[in-house]
Amino acid sequence: DIQMTQSPSSLSASVGDRVTITCQASQDISNHLNWYQQKPGKAPKLLIYDVFNLETGVPSRFSGSGSGTYFTFTISSLQPADIATYYCQQYENLPPTFGGGTKVEIK
Amino acid sequence: EVQLVESGGGLVQPGGSLKLSCAASGFTFSGSAMHWVRQASGKGLEWVGRIRSKTNNYATAYAASVKGRFTISRDDSKNTAYLQMNSLKTEDTAVYYCTTDYGDALDFDYWGQGILVTVSS
Repeated sequence: DIQMTQSPSSLSASVGDRVTITCQASQDISNHLNWYQQKPGKAPKLLIYDVFNLETGVPSRFSGSGSGTYFTFTISSLQPADIATYYCQQYENLPPTFGGGTKVEIK
Repeated sequence: EVQLVESGGGLVQPGGSLKLSCAASGFTFSGSAMHWVRQASGKGLEWVGRIRSKTNNYATAYAASVKGRFTISRDDSKNTAYLQMNSLKTEDTAVYYCTTDYGDALDFDYWGQGILVTVSS
């Protein structure tokens, strides 16, 4: 199975800060990487697919980059509505696997 | 609007069985692969398994942790997917989500609200 190592596991930042989360795959997954947002008590929601493509309606302050084994997820200006846990997920092959999650809080 | 509504969860004893349902609407269910993903309390996301569409022979795949105990099926006439869980263990306690996979690409486009399964004596 492909292991997805996500860091940090949690972070605290101020409103307006730039926030970056990294995700490293245990093998080359090309561009087969998604990012999900899970707000407290809610189901996850697909935010970014194929590394950098924003789902319809997702604010442009969210972005993704990377290829191969190293990927980043960025919130350019953190907003209170962004309080959530974020997960990366590879879909290079079965089984699809998730990173451990990054809990984002407001300082 | 895509809607996925899980049902059938609850409390079950270790070794018992439970069958979850996922009623879908707002998209072409018959053409979409469907997955189940679970999340133990305070933990991350774990893929459980998938069923593909009729075009792909309703092929299924499962996580190693549930293979041989869980079975995914679907009824396209009812726009419903199912997760039959047998020989349940305490470590199967989690919120179970059904998800769509329009492109049959092992990704999760939309998620249901989730249903809690508790395995305890």
